[in-house]
Amino acid sequence: DVQLVESGGGLVQPGGSLRLSCAASGFTFSGFWMTWVRQAPGKGLEWVASVRRDGSEEDYVDAVKGRFTISRDNAKNLLFLQMNSLRVEDTAVYYCARDSVAARPGNLDYWGQGTLVTVSS
Amino acid sequence: SYVLTQPPSVSVAPGQTARITCGGDNIGTKSVHWYQQKPGQAPVLVVYDDSARPSGIPGRFSGSNSGNTAALTISRVEAGDEADYYCQVWDSNSDHHVFGIGTKVTVL
Repeated sequence: DVQLVESGGGLVQPGGSLRLSCAASGFTFSGFWMTWVRQAPGKGLEWVASVRRDGSEEDYVDAVKGRFTISRDNAKNLLFLQMNSLRVEDTAVYYCARDSVAARPGNLDYWGQGTLVTVSS
Repeated sequence: SYVLTQPPSVSVAPGQTARITCGGDNIGTKSVHWYQQKPGQAPVLVVYDDSARPSGIPGRFSGSNSGNTAALTISRVEAGDEADYYCQVWDSNSDHHVFGIGTKVTVL
């Protein structure tokens, strides 16, 4: 069975950093784009970033560009999101999701349970 | 940037049909995907590539996409279908995933 398990969330002060991880199992991790999506409390889904199968391409929502970095370790089946210069508005549940096998991203067919990031002083 | 427009809420009686729309400029030229999210849970893909269903999703869920409007139709609505529903596309012009704001489906 496909499983995605996020970790690394927590409480951090504005301006601080966190590194989220997503452990993948049950599928050929290196064959899929991978994506982070977040959801602020009481709000809708917001795409954060996606990374190509081999890590050679990264795409970001404008709100996090220059502050967040998505990466992956295909040897260890791990997806990461390095979050720097965190802001109060980054407070959200962060989901890891399996994306497309195709040349471009597509649908998100499996999701993790999410990890909560709270940015507050 | 590309924008997807959804109604904030839809109400439907049990056994009836719910139709949730997702508007976008020439959305008919894009692949549209739909997610169901229940409170406290992660989203679940219910329709992909406009009208395909993942395994395990009931046939009561169907999708369509043409012109400037895509739609998710839930037939014979059940109490367990009460949830938020989001449409999503990949916008190749901006290299961004785009989500609609979500539609809360209430079963009366």
